[in-house]
Amino acid sequence: LAKTTQPISMDSYEGQEVNITCSHNNIATNDYITWYQQFPSQGPRFIIQGYKTKVTNEVASLFIPADRKSSTLSLPRVSLSDTAVYYCLVGDPFRNSGGYQKVTFGTGTKLQVIP
Amino acid sequence: NAGVMQNPRHLVRRRGQEARLRCSPMKGHSHVYWYRQLPEEGLKFMVYLQKENIIDESGMPKERFSAEFPKEGPSILRIQQVVRGDSAAYFCASSPPAGGTDTQYFGPGTRLTVL
Repeated sequence: LAKTTQPISMDSYEGQEVNITCSHNNIATNDYITWYQQFPSQGPRFIIQGYKTKVTNEVASLFIPADRKSSTLSLPRVSLSDTAVYYCLVGDPFRNSGGYQKVTFGTGTKLQVIP
Repeated sequence: NAGVMQNPRHLVRRRGQEARLRCSPMKGHSHVYWYRQLPEEGLKFMVYLQKENIIDESGMPKERFSAEFPKEGPSILRIQQVVRGDSAAYFCASSPPAGGTDTQYFGPGTRLTVL
């Protein structure tokens, strides 16, 4: 499983765009990049998943450069409710290809949004 | 469609007692994962089960811990003769049958406190 490295913590003011970068130098060809969000006392919540270039949904964007050795989660105009821990995971999500997300979440990035 | 259900949400046990944690996956999901999270740490994979089968238990402690996912009923994580070091949040996740991405959906967790 590819190891990931993220900043331990980040602070941002309300209304700003936040970019959290994750390094995964050993990513494999079949691996996808998945981001989860976890609020205190809750289970992680899926945010976004991608393989290459850019993926966007109603919550966030995910930017993946051509070499795929890193990825950036972009949260537009954060609010206080975005204060949470964000986890970057790398793995093969397609079980019919023999893979499954047997993952160990790292310590994640603790985002604190400041009013 | 109800999400992943876990009960109890909080469980207090004295050293030496048994703890039983239950997880009901999302409707239509036949794959269950259990994770453990210590304070200020990320989630650590424990076990991956399909109905009536343990697929991967490489993250489970060798003693006192067991898991099952019977044909009928919830998945159970059982901890015998609990010790203080077992105090943690235990999260269950589920995913759909093979054929699609293995996006995992997490329950709210069970917080185990061992006195």
